[in-house]
Amino acid sequence: DTEVTQTPKHLVMGMTNKKSLKCEQHMGHRAMYWYKQKAKKPPELMFVYSYEKLSINESVPSRFSPECPNSSLLNLHLHALQPEDSALYLCASSRLRVNTEAFFGQGTRLTVV
Amino acid sequence: GNSVTQMEGPVTLSEEAFLTINCTYTATGYPSLFWYVQYPGEGLQLLLKATKADDKGSNKGFEATYRKETTSFHLEKGSVQVSDSAVYFCALYSSNTGKLIFGQGTTLQVKP
Repeated sequence: DTEVTQTPKHLVMGMTNKKSLKCEQHMGHRAMYWYKQKAKKPPELMFVYSYEKLSINESVPSRFSPECPNSSLLNLHLHALQPEDSALYLCASSRLRVNTEAFFGQGTRLTVV
Repeated sequence: GNSVTQMEGPVTLSEEAFLTINCTYTATGYPSLFWYVQYPGEGLQLLLKATKADDKGSNKGFEATYRKETTSFHLEKGSVQVSDSAVYFCALYSSNTGKLIFGQGTTLQVKP
């Protein structure tokens, strides 16, 4: 199984809503990532978890709150988002080794209205 | 800091043409280099990788060689197909930073 599964595939939310994005992998990877991708742009790193602990936060606004409940799951909690937060949110995972590749999910297409 | 620079797109080719997408990088230490492909409406798929100088990554007819002397990792394919139409991202992973960073992406359109 080399899949990273993200749910939901599409999400429309209002600026006062609270929602969560979910990501799951069963490859035994101990590093997990959230990226944000705007149209026609490369993915931008948001957060990195290593051994279920947050190791990198790329100065992401607090309206995005990551959570790693166990080694297979990664959540991104969303609250009070702005229309400019509309994007494709990608989850990825990798082994915690030098020179290892990251595996990406299909992404959640988020629209904030 | 670390960075990746890709050639500007879009690149438009006829089927069976030769493809080159240029990628150069700036990094300290010994990064790993990757090419990812993104089809419309999808996530990123790893196309190939190279982890040290002079390594050649290859997959599905695509190749790229890690050239430390020119800090390059150009993607090539001898004969493209319509199904190769996608956005291609060159990426670098540095153990110094623990981050995977991407170039700007190059859109490839292959016409029958």
